[in-house]
Amino acid sequence: DSGVTQTPKHLITATGQRVTLRCSPRSGDLSVYWYQQSLDQGLQFLIQYYNGEERAKGNILERFSAQQFPDLHSELNLSSLELGDSALYFCASSETGDLRKPETQYFGPGTRLLVL
Amino acid sequence: GQNIDQPTEMTATEGAIVQINCTYQTSGFNGLFWYQQHAGEAPTFLSYNVLDGLEEKGRFSSFLSRSKGYSYLLLKELQMKDSASYLCAAMDSNYQLIWGAGTKLIIKP
Repeated sequence: DSGVTQTPKHLITATGQRVTLRCSPRSGDLSVYWYQQSLDQGLQFLIQYYNGEERAKGNILERFSAQQFPDLHSELNLSSLELGDSALYFCASSETGDLRKPETQYFGPGTRLLVL
Repeated sequence: GQNIDQPTEMTATEGAIVQINCTYQTSGFNGLFWYQQHAGEAPTFLSYNVLDGLEEKGRFSSFLSRSKGYSYLLLKELQMKDSASYLCAAMDSNYQLIWGAGTKLIIKP
């Protein structure tokens, strides 16, 4: 157990809908990262937040957005869902996300999204 | 561009040794991570190398050659529970992780 929690574990929805995925980082971690992993694919980095501010952006679609709240939990919002958005969505956290030193990322159990 | 290459799939026998290779090209380099990921589960941290050489951690060892842009993960005394994907990720000059697609390791009895 990494200490990172994600809810819900599973989500089934229809095309065109909007969903919100939630992540709570490890106690004391300030940085949150979101990843998408499609079936049998590698991890695709979406976005990173540090202490409430966006820190880095990866291949995140305009239909997707995220935020980090004052209590450091984060939400990933996916809208106008398409069949191809079906994937595992992971959240990870690290101590500071300091851009001057390497840090290990610890991953949550993921949310499995199925768009029908 | 930035790129990580690792084999898609490998097969090994229980009790044996396997080496999973990873080559990387990044803008700057701040270390190389290995993660293990069982199917449908979260990646879990295995090792981090930033200096050349071999780091041993029980049955798992990780090697880095910065001059060659090369790393490997060595798994000894393979157990069935080692069947998983192994993800290589290099950290670039901005301390961002560049992820490989992962190597699926199949262990046969």
